[in-house]
Amino acid sequence: DAGVTQSPTHLIKTRGQHVTLRCSPISGHKSVSWYQQVLGQGPQFIFQYYEKEERGRGNFPDRFSARQFPNYSSELNVNALLLGDSALYLCASSLGTGGSETQYFGPGTRLLVL
Amino acid sequence: GQNIDQPTEMTATEGAIVQINCTYQTSGFNGLFWYQQHAGEAPTFLSYNVLDGLEEKGRFSSFLSRSKGYSYLLLKELQMKDSASYLCAVRYGPATDSWGKLQFGAGTQVVVTP
Repeated sequence: DAGVTQSPTHLIKTRGQHVTLRCSPISGHKSVSWYQQVLGQGPQFIFQYYEKEERGRGNFPDRFSARQFPNYSSELNVNALLLGDSALYLCASSLGTGGSETQYFGPGTRLLVL
Repeated sequence: GQNIDQPTEMTATEGAIVQINCTYQTSGFNGLFWYQQHAGEAPTFLSYNVLDGLEEKGRFSSFLSRSKGYSYLLLKELQMKDSASYLCAVRYGPATDSWGKLQFGAGTQVVVTP
């Protein structure tokens, strides 16, 4: 079975631009979470979606938004890009949102903002 | 927020044992995960602990003490391929503002030398 897939793998943007990152979860998984990982740090939680509804939001500005589609895939949108948004963006999927649910990560999208 | 603390770096020789400690705030604790992350790649799931005690999986074992807010990951018979960052992640329960998301430590870089 395919794991979590993300596109694109790499992206270069300039300040002020907008970006859309995409994620397809493992087949049968209904929850998708987004994380931002800056070099040398652990992933920081951005959003969690389950059954197309937002279930959690991290401490990120309103420039960050996301949505989940009926097929459980998800998009992360970032507006008005800043240099500090340069990071690895990770998508993780899980069956649900329960305490024991393991989140499986995709390969990530590496975003560079110039 | 809930601080997750782990050492920055550890070095060990091939064939040796290394223990990576992780401490966290206990209030609202709802499970602890360990992930391995090779440079430039996504985190991969290693283990999950929610009850006190030791979970063994081949060369890797993970221990949890909920009352002490403490966990460790034990890597035995180290191999060169074990050189990676090891991330401790905690899930907090519905009574906290961190419900559903994984709170990650900054990661421990393990360097295995010949």
